[in-house]
Amino acid sequence: QVHLAQSGAELKKPGASVKVACKASGYNFQFFGITWVRQAPGQRLEWMGWISAENGDTNYAQGFQGRVTLTMDTSTTTTYMELRSLRSDDTAVYYCARSFSGSAKYYGDFWGQGTLVTVSS
Amino acid sequence: EIVMTQSPATLSVSPGERATLSCRASQSVNRNLAWFQQTPGQSPRLLIYGASIRAAGISARFSGSGSGTEFTLTISSLQSEDFAVYYCQQYNDWVTFGGGTKVEI
Repeated sequence: QVHLAQSGAELKKPGASVKVACKASGYNFQFFGITWVRQAPGQRLEWMGWISAENGDTNYAQGFQGRVTLTMDTSTTTTYMELRSLRSDDTAVYYCARSFSGSAKYYGDFWGQGTLVTVSS
Repeated sequence: EIVMTQSPATLSVSPGERATLSCRASQSVNRNLAWFQQTPGQSPRLLIYGASIRAAGISARFSGSGSGTEFTLTISSLQSEDFAVYYCQQYNDWVTFGGGTKVEI
């Protein structure tokens, strides 16, 4: 069965970087994409970006341009989301979700369990 | 950016009743609209995509309708496990989510 397993909770100081892992299993990794969404406390879901596992193409939400990078390791079917220059308002649960390989304009059909990133001095 | 607005913010219903949730887009998204359910402490779960297509394993109690800028999610005969927050998401022009509707007893 499709399963996305994310890395554990992180506590970071303002200005630092965080890298969250998302390991996919139960399906052919290179036929799909991975999208990243975050949810700050009491806020709506916010799309961050997408990476195609077919060819490595990426798209990022305008609000995260220059601060976020998505990468993948096809040998371990793992996708990584790195967010830099962290601020207190980056405190959120970060989710990865399986998506379409051909476009960022899609929905996530299977989601990881979420990774809480707390930014505090 | 396409803004998604959901109403009402909170919907109080009793088990066995029907719930009707609305989602409006600031411009047309055609039928590129998905609905998700999220219970406390859990990840979002895909219910509907393409405005009206139920995802695999989703109960027929859930139905979606609409196109363009106006969409509806209907939950017929609410069960205890249906009390949750529901989000709509458009994927016609990048991706944006609505603010959610909390369905409570």
